[in-house]
Amino acid sequence: DAGVIQSPRHEVTEMGQEVTLRCKPISGHDYLFWYRQTMMRGLELLIYFNNNVPIDDSGMPEDRFSAKMPNASFSTLKIQPSEPRDSAVYFCASSLGYGPAYNEQFFGPGTRLTVL
Amino acid sequence: DAKTTQPTSMDCAEGRAANLPCNHSTISGNEYVYWYRQIHSQGPQYIIHGLKNNETNEMASLIITEDRKSSTLILPHATLRDTAVYYCIVIFTGANSKLTFGKGITLSVRP
Repeated sequence: DAGVIQSPRHEVTEMGQEVTLRCKPISGHDYLFWYRQTMMRGLELLIYFNNNVPIDDSGMPEDRFSAKMPNASFSTLKIQPSEPRDSAVYFCASSLGYGPAYNEQFFGPGTRLTVL
Repeated sequence: DAKTTQPTSMDCAEGRAANLPCNHSTISGNEYVYWYRQIHSQGPQYIIHGLKNNETNEMASLIITEDRKSSTLILPHATLRDTAVYYCIVIFTGANSKLTFGKGITLSVRP
């Protein structure tokens, strides 16, 4: 398996533009997680899905952020409109989701987002 | 979830064992200890986890004290590629639990 795949790896955009980050989890994994990492706040969980259904989005910073998982092999995180404070590295992770394996999360390489 | 305390940083010589400590004095009976690491510019990587018995895999060993209030991650033969931030996380396992990554400990392996 190729692991968790994220695209794009780098994104530079201007304030006010829409940004879409993409993630392909490991095949067979039931859980998908979106994290954000900044120097100031560290690594934060934004939202996670179980079997394509959003379970907890309490970490989503505000309504400008939305996430979807239309099928088991694809998820998106969208920011509209983007702001400079959204600049961060966004990670997607997936896990099998049963027992202790739930927390054996496999992370993708991340998308480095820069909003000018 | 129980809070963990880790030193800010440590270093070790290449080829030697790296022993990374973690205190979790408020751990509950059914909370697991997980270790992750993050190499610069990469996503976090799962290393190992345990409940109360010592665990070993191809990457590392996890030693948990009998009272479970502290643990040590051991990298038996550290290499330069092991230079990373290591996170100790104590968490209930199963649905709705959330990994909380603190500041971790920065391990620097020197040649």
